[in-house]
Amino acid sequence: QSALTQPPSASGSPGQSVTISCTGTSSNVGGYDYVSWYQQHPGKAPKLIIYYVNKRPSGVPDRFSGSKSGNTASLTVSGLQAEDEAVYYCASFGGNSIFGGGTKLTVL
Amino acid sequence: EVQLVESGGGLVQPGESLRLSCAASGLTFSAAWMGWVRQAPGKGLEWVASIKEDGSEEYYGDSVRGRFTVSRDNAKNSVYLHTDSLRAEDTAVYYCARDAGHFSYDVWGQGTMVTVSS
Repeated sequence: QSALTQPPSASGSPGQSVTISCTGTSSNVGGYDYVSWYQQHPGKAPKLIIYYVNKRPSGVPDRFSGSKSGNTASLTVSGLQAEDEAVYYCASFGGNSIFGGGTKLTVL
Repeated sequence: EVQLVESGGGLVQPGESLRLSCAASGLTFSAAWMGWVRQAPGKGLEWVASIKEDGSEEYYGDSVRGRFTVSRDNAKNSVYLHTDSLRAEDTAVYYCARDAGHFSYDVWGQGTMVTVSS
C-alpha cells in the first residue's frame, strides 16, 4: 500500500499561515473521517496535533486546524511561530493504517 | 503521568529475531488499542502493527505481515512486538503508541532502535 502523498517541504514567515496537503484515495482519506496529523521535532517522538480530520487534542493551540475535501486532507498552521518548524505527517485509517511521507515545515 | 517505555532493541544479524517490549503506566491499558510504528533513519513513519484492547484482533502492515507478531499482557500493562526473519530494511526506531481511536496515536514512547546488519 503506497504512502499518502504530501509535499516534501513548505515554508512561511512568522505570523503567516501555511497549508500542507495530504492526498490519498477513496479507500483511506476519502472514505473515512479518520485523518490525523502528527508533528515531529528532530530526535523526538511524534506528537498528535489533529485527529478525526479537524479535532484538536487538549493542549494543542488553535493555530493548528484540519480539513478534508474528497481524497485530500489539509493541515493549516496559522500565525506561524519559530517552534512550529518540524516535520508534519498525515495519517489515515482505511483497512490498514497508513502515513504520509512527511512535510518539512521551515519558518523563515 | 501517562507514559510508554519501550525496550529490547539492539544490533542483530539478518535472519535473527528480537522481541520488543513496551510498558505502560498512567493509563487504563486494558481499555486501549495499542500500535507499533517504526521510522527508518532519516525516513518517515511507517505503521507496523495494531492490537485490540483484549488481544483478540491483530493487524499488520504489508512489509511485516508473516514475520512480526504483536501481543499484549494486560496484567503486566505491556505490549510486545516479536520480530522474526529480520532484514536490513527493518532497521529503524520502533515506537509503541496508544491508539485513541481509528489510528489516532495520542501517547507515544521514546522509541527503541533496532539495527539489522551483518
